[in-house]
Order: sequence, then C-alpha cells, then structure tokens
Amino acid sequence: QVQLVQSGPEFRKPGASVRVSCKVSGSSFNNYDVHWVRRASGRGLEWMGWMHPGSGNTGYAQNFQGRVTFTWDTSGRTAYLDLRGLRSEDTAVYYCSRARGAENFDLWGQGTLVTVSS
Amino acid sequence: SYVLTQPPSLSVAPGQTAEMTCGGDNIESKSVHWYQQKPGQAPVLVIYNDRDRPSGIPERVSGSNSGNTATLTISRVEAGDEADYYCQVWHDYGDPVVLGGGTKLTVL
Repeated sequence: QVQLVQSGPEFRKPGASVRVSCKVSGSSFNNYDVHWVRRASGRGLEWMGWMHPGSGNTGYAQNFQGRVTFTWDTSGRTAYLDLRGLRSEDTAVYYCSRARGAENFDLWGQGTLVTVSS
Repeated sequence: SYVLTQPPSLSVAPGQTAEMTCGGDNIESKSVHWYQQKPGQAPVLVIYNDRDRPSGIPERVSGSNSGNTATLTISRVEAGDEADYYCQVWHDYGDPVVLGGGTKLTVL
C-alpha cells in the first residue's frame, strides 16, 4: 500500500526559503504525478503545481511561478518543494498528493505546517 | 481562467440531506471530483468523475453533474460528516487544476 509521508513542521522568518519533503513508501509510483496543494488558515485549498517523477517535467501555478521549485530524488523516492521569498501569507499547511494524468487526487500526505513570522 | 463557485457554508440537522453545489461554466463537460477535509486532517477523495465513490465511502454520499452545476449530496447526515468540502476539475487553459473555494458543512 502506497503512502506519502511528509517532513515535519518548519518555522522561517520573512524572506527566507523552506524545503518540504514527501517520501513515497510502499509499491510502485509509476505513471503518477506528484502535486502540491496548500491551505492557509481561514482559506481554502490552493493548488501550487505538479511534477512527474519519471521525466522531471514540472508545471507551476501562476501565483507561484518564479518562487517555487519541485524536484524528485529517485534513489530516496522523495519529492521536494522549495519555496523562496517567504512572506507571512505563506503560513499554511502544505500537502503533497498524487494523480495519474488528469485524474483525481486519490492519495495525500499528512501535511506539513510552515509558519512564517518575524 | 476557469472558476468554480461554492457556497461558503451549509448547515443541516442530523438525519437530513446535505446538498452542496459547485458552479462552473458548462461544468457538465468536465469530470468533477470532490474532497472532504476535516480539521487537522488531509483531504480525502469522496467522489470522482462526477458520481463514482472510492472504496470505503458510504453509499449515502453521491454526486451529480448537469449544466453549470455539480452537486455533492450526503443523505442521512451524521455528526462525523461535519467538514469542509471542495470540488475540483481539470481545465485546458491557465492553471490546469481548479479548486472551488470550499463549503463548510455544519451538522446542527
């Protein structure tokens, strides 16, 4: 059974960067994309983008272009989200999830709280 | 860009039926997916492709999609159904993944 296990909570000052990881455990992850979605307090889910582990192809939501990077470590079967230029509005729980092409998100990580405060 | 509109809140008494809508231009031409998110938990897929239920989702949860509105229906609402519900579609232009703003279901 596949699981997505995310890294622990992070605290950063404004202007800093943060890396969140998402480890795939269990059976094969072939033909799936990894997506990142966040939820800030008092707001709804916000899609950030996707990456395909096999090809390394990525796509970023317009609101995050230039500030976010997705990568994949094949040996560790781990996806990474790097977010730069943090501001207080980036305080949120960040989730990784999987989807096969243009299908639904059927599996989610447990979430990683990122707090940005001076 | 494509916009999905959900009412921000809905209150229903236990045992009654909750109908949560998701409005979008000609949404019936798209496959709509629904997610349930309880406080402090990750989202869970409850309906995919307009009306299909993943394993483990009870039959009292159903979905439909017609015209400009998709609907998630929960019959015989229970206290454990209290959560935020989000609709989601894929779109060909702009950001490919579109999420609705979410509806907070309160069980009275």
